[in-house]
Amino acid sequence: GAGVSQSPSNKVTEKGKDVELRCDPISGHTALYWYRQSLGQGLEFLIYFQGNSAPDKSGLPSDRFSAERTGGSVSTLTIQRTQQEDSAVYLCASSSPGLSGNTIYFGEGSWLTVV
Amino acid sequence: SQQGEEDPQALSIQEGENATMNCSYKTSINNLQWYRQNSGRGLVHLILIRSNEREKHSGRLRVTLDTSKKSSSLLITASRAADTASYFCATGAQGGSEKLVFGKGTKLTVNP
Repeated sequence: GAGVSQSPSNKVTEKGKDVELRCDPISGHTALYWYRQSLGQGLEFLIYFQGNSAPDKSGLPSDRFSAERTGGSVSTLTIQRTQQEDSAVYLCASSSPGLSGNTIYFGEGSWLTVV
Repeated sequence: SQQGEEDPQALSIQEGENATMNCSYKTSINNLQWYRQNSGRGLVHLILIRSNEREKHSGRLRVTLDTSKKSSSLLITASRAADTASYFCATGAQGGSEKLVFGKGTKLTVNP
């Protein structure tokens, strides 16, 4: 597709369950980002992938969070043993550094509710 | 703490008025960008200003950058009700990775 695609758009899960959120970046974009946004708050950086380099995981809040990017394209963010404080919108973005001045393009987000 | 901090946190104006939002940051940057977000979903890129630029225009948007003060402002002229949204600044660190660090945003309400 033309834009960044995320799925599911909404997810309600029970506390303690694992969830997987998927991101399909814009074709050809080498950089992929995950951010988290709690209600009414700013964006919290989670993880950044760039090409074949080791990902920048400095924003992952705990070892329950992990992300992978297969084949340099699709990425999956996994949250294990979800907690209520994990409830937020998880935003994925992609960019092609150097070609667009690092303008990043966001998906519509996955709204996670942990009950 | 966040690299970029916007102020005010919230701004309410009448249609036709100008809206000014400010952003301060802490470290040296390559560029600064402004994004808009409707209804808590995806962000849309508005404008990018590089560290060697002082002012940039795009339609009704005017962005300034003062690297000596580590601050930027976004001016929306002749505001419209459709401009109601949250506005975020994001900075790309000089010499660092390409990741962007976002502030907490300014919630703008334009009343018809």
